[in-house]
Amino acid sequence: DTAVSQTPKYLVTQMGNDKSIKCEQNLGHDTMYWYKQDSKKFLKIMFSYNNKELIINETVPNRFSPKSPDKAHLNLHINSLELGDSAVYFCASSQSAISGNTIYFGEGSWLTVV
Amino acid sequence: DAKTTQPPSMDCAEGRAANLPCNHSTISGNEYVYWYRQIHSQGPQYIIHGLKNNETNEMASLIITEDRKSSTLILPHATLRDTAVYYCIVRVSMDSSYKLIFGSGTRLLVRP
Repeated sequence: DTAVSQTPKYLVTQMGNDKSIKCEQNLGHDTMYWYKQDSKKFLKIMFSYNNKELIINETVPNRFSPKSPDKAHLNLHINSLELGDSAVYFCASSQSAISGNTIYFGEGSWLTVV
Repeated sequence: DAKTTQPPSMDCAEGRAANLPCNHSTISGNEYVYWYRQIHSQGPQYIIHGLKNNETNEMASLIITEDRKSSTLILPHATLRDTAVYYCIVRVSMDSSYKLIFGSGTRLLVRP
């Protein structure tokens, strides 16, 4: 019973392609996140959605577009992929955005752009 | 930028306590300290968090100094499976949300 699940786990694609990573949480949480972990292993927040509404949008290129069809799903679409987009992308969720509940992370999606 | 500094690596013997220090000298009064760990090729795993008081759960204990400028995560009886990168994080509050800002973490190696 995976709480936060992401697909695909591994993705290798060519520069210029458009790809999506899907995320689903079965915890009944209101808030979901996307984090990026680069080659230096730093984890940085990219986006956060609360009840399908965007509440955090860090300095991320417009090529990255999150979409939340419902509060249990937060997908990440990336246009015109570049070599520098190669990283591990982690989806996460928490009960709410304000009360400071624990954030639970998925297992990550390894994106390699060649 | 991360508001925490941690030693890049530590090691301890299996069965002994592992004490992982963290400095967060610029922490604000309402900012929590969180600890996560990341075992190779897995997602970050929540360990514990606290504001002012010491905290304990089934995984670890968190000791926060009175001035809140530093804290220590204690794994009372480290096992080989505790080998991981441990992140000390200050939760930063924003207008309608909060975010965890990860630093570079401490790579803990538990020796047999």
